[in-house]
Amino acid sequence: NAGVTQTPKFQVLKTGQSMTLQCAQDMNHEYMSWYRQDPGMGLRLIHYSVGAGITDQGEVPNGYNVSRSTTEDFPLRLLSAAPSQTSVYFCASSSLPRDTQYFGPGTRLTVL
Amino acid sequence: AQSVTQPDIHITVSEGASLELRCNYSYGATPYLFWYVQSPGQGLQLLLKYFSGDTLVQGIKGFEAEFKRSQSSFNLRKPSVHWSDAAEYFCASRANAGKSTFGDGTTLTVKP
Repeated sequence: NAGVTQTPKFQVLKTGQSMTLQCAQDMNHEYMSWYRQDPGMGLRLIHYSVGAGITDQGEVPNGYNVSRSTTEDFPLRLLSAAPSQTSVYFCASSSLPRDTQYFGPGTRLTVL
Repeated sequence: AQSVTQPDIHITVSEGASLELRCNYSYGATPYLFWYVQSPGQGLQLLLKYFSGDTLVQGIKGFEAEFKRSQSSFNLRKPSVHWSDAAEYFCASRANAGKSTFGDGTTLTVKP
C-alpha cells in the first residue's frame, strides 16, 4: 500500500492563479481531511469528507474548494491564490470518524 | 467546541533525561486523544492514542501518555530521551464526524 499520497511536493504560484492539490489514498478509508500548517499554529482543518459525495467545511475554508467523487481521491482547489495561502498542506485519511489519521507527506505552497 | 492546548512552545532536555510534554483538552464528551510527532520536512506520525479503558497508554519509540479526566490532560512522557527524539510534537483530539483539533505543537530540542 502506498498509503496517502500528495502531489505536487512543492509549488510556487503567483497571486490570482488557481491550482489543485491532489490527494489519494489506497486504504479504502471513508474519512479524508485537508489541513494547513503554519509556523506556531499547528494544523488547522480546511475541509473534510465523510465519504464519496459528502464534504464539509473545517476551521479555515475560505479560498478553498473540495469535492469527493471517489473514495480514493480528495483534491483541494485554490480558486485565486493569495499570499496568505502560503503554507504546508497535509491530507489525511482514516477508516472511522474518531480513529487514527494517516497523513500524506505534504505539499509546500508559496504564493508570490 | 473542542480545543487542545499545548502550554509549552519549546522544551529543551538533555539526552538521557526524562521528558514530559503537556496537553490539555476541552471537549464535552469522552475525547479521542492522540499524540503525533513530526520531524523537519516530514509528515505526521502517530505515537499513541487513547480511546477508552486503561488511562496509561503505551506508544511507539518508548513513549507513553496518561489520560486524566479530572485535569483534562493527556501528557506525553518518556523516561530517557534520545537525540533522535528531537522533533515537533502535536496533541490532537477527534470528535464525531471526523473533525480533528490540533494543539499548536511543542518543539523538543535534545542537548548532547
